[in-house]
Amino acid sequence: DTEVTQTPKHLVMGMTNKKSLKCEQHMGHRAMYWYKQKAKKPPELMFVYSYEKLSINESVPSRFSPECPNSSLLNLHLHALQPEDSALYLCASSQSQGGAIYEQYFGPGTRLTVT
Amino acid sequence: AQKITQTQPGMFVQEKEAVTLDCTYDTSDPSYGLFWYKQPSSGEMIFLIYQGSYDQQNATEGRYSLNFQKARKSANLVISASQLGDSAMYFCAMRGLNTGFQKLVFGTGTRLLVSP
Repeated sequence: DTEVTQTPKHLVMGMTNKKSLKCEQHMGHRAMYWYKQKAKKPPELMFVYSYEKLSINESVPSRFSPECPNSSLLNLHLHALQPEDSALYLCASSQSQGGAIYEQYFGPGTRLTVT
Repeated sequence: AQKITQTQPGMFVQEKEAVTLDCTYDTSDPSYGLFWYKQPSSGEMIFLIYQGSYDQQNATEGRYSLNFQKARKSANLVISASQLGDSAMYFCAMRGLNTGFQKLVFGTGTRLLVSP
């Protein structure tokens, strides 16, 4: 099973709201990722978690707050977003690195609209 | 720094024909991996094929093959016998040693349209 699930599929939120995106995988992967994808653009890496610890933050604004409660779950907490944050948010997971290169498996994404 | 270049914004192919999607890359990493992903309009990124920089043979996965030419720094995707369901955006991507293989860098993508 190579499934990564994401909820919700769609989210509309106001600029003063607080919401969370959720991602789950049961493949035993120890690396998880958040990407942001604007329309007609490639995905851009936001955060990387390795063994439940944040290993890469690509200078993402603090209104985005990631959390990895356990090895299967990844959350992205959203607060005080701007309209330009509207995008498709993709979660991915892969086996841990250990000097080897593994493919990332992506979830279906959450389409976020900030009004 | 790593960079992926996909020079074809769009490609058209007739059903049952083969098509090649171009990808060139630039990296100073001694070890890296190259990937192709398919993204239908639904949004999900689907992993298609992987090629390691030290692999001697070109990767193949069913109707997908990767034409890897290391000296030219190219990693073109070949889709044989195109099907209507192959219509999607295709991204070439790479991960390298210098970022601990954690960072996946994408090209700008090629939109493929398969016609009956």
